[in-house]
Amino acid sequence: DIQMTQSPSTLSASVGDRVTITCRASQSISSWLAWYQQKPGKAPHLLIYKASSLESGVPSTFSGSGSGTEFTLTISSLQPDDFATYYCQQYNSFPYTFGQGTKLEIK
Amino acid sequence: QLQLQESGPGLVKPSETLSLTCTVSGGSISSSSYYGGWIRQPPGKGLEWIGSIYYSGSTYYNPSLKGRVTISIDTSKSQFSLNLSAVTAADTAVYYCARHQYGIGFDNWGQGTLVTVSS
Repeated sequence: DIQMTQSPSTLSASVGDRVTITCRASQSISSWLAWYQQKPGKAPHLLIYKASSLESGVPSTFSGSGSGTEFTLTISSLQPDDFATYYCQQYNSFPYTFGQGTKLEIK
Repeated sequence: QLQLQESGPGLVKPSETLSLTCTVSGGSISSSSYYGGWIRQPPGKGLEWIGSIYYSGSTYYNPSLKGRVTISIDTSKSQFSLNLSAVTAADTAVYYCARHQYGIGFDNWGQGTLVTVSS
């Protein structure tokens, strides 16, 4: 199985900050990586697919980059609605695997 | 707009079989581009992919569930279903169904349903 490791596990930031979350794969997954946002009590919501493609309706403050084994999710200017938990997920091969999550908290 | 809705018992006894159905409306999963998938999330923990089914009926399962999983599809009813046998307390989780498009990921999710395993 491909292991996905996110860092940090928790991130404290303020509205307006630029933040970056990293996701590393245990082997190359090309660009077959998605990022999701999840708020308490809600289903995850797709933000980014194929490592850097923005899902329709997602604000342009979100961006993704990377290929192979190292990927990043960047939020260029944090908004109050962005405080949530973020997950990466590889879909290069079955079994699909998720990172353990990064909780973005208000500082 | 595509919507997915999970349905099934919220309480299952240990050693029994957990059965859930996902009903798709406002769109289709009967296309060569789409899979139906199941993902679960134990309380306070992360996401685990359980398995996926192609519209043709081909299935893909997480080996960590050791052969306890069966996913089926009924395209005429726009439904796909999950059976998880021999459940234990470790299977207590919110279960989500989701559609994933080839090359994109899980782009549409159900709201999730909490299934508790307890006697």
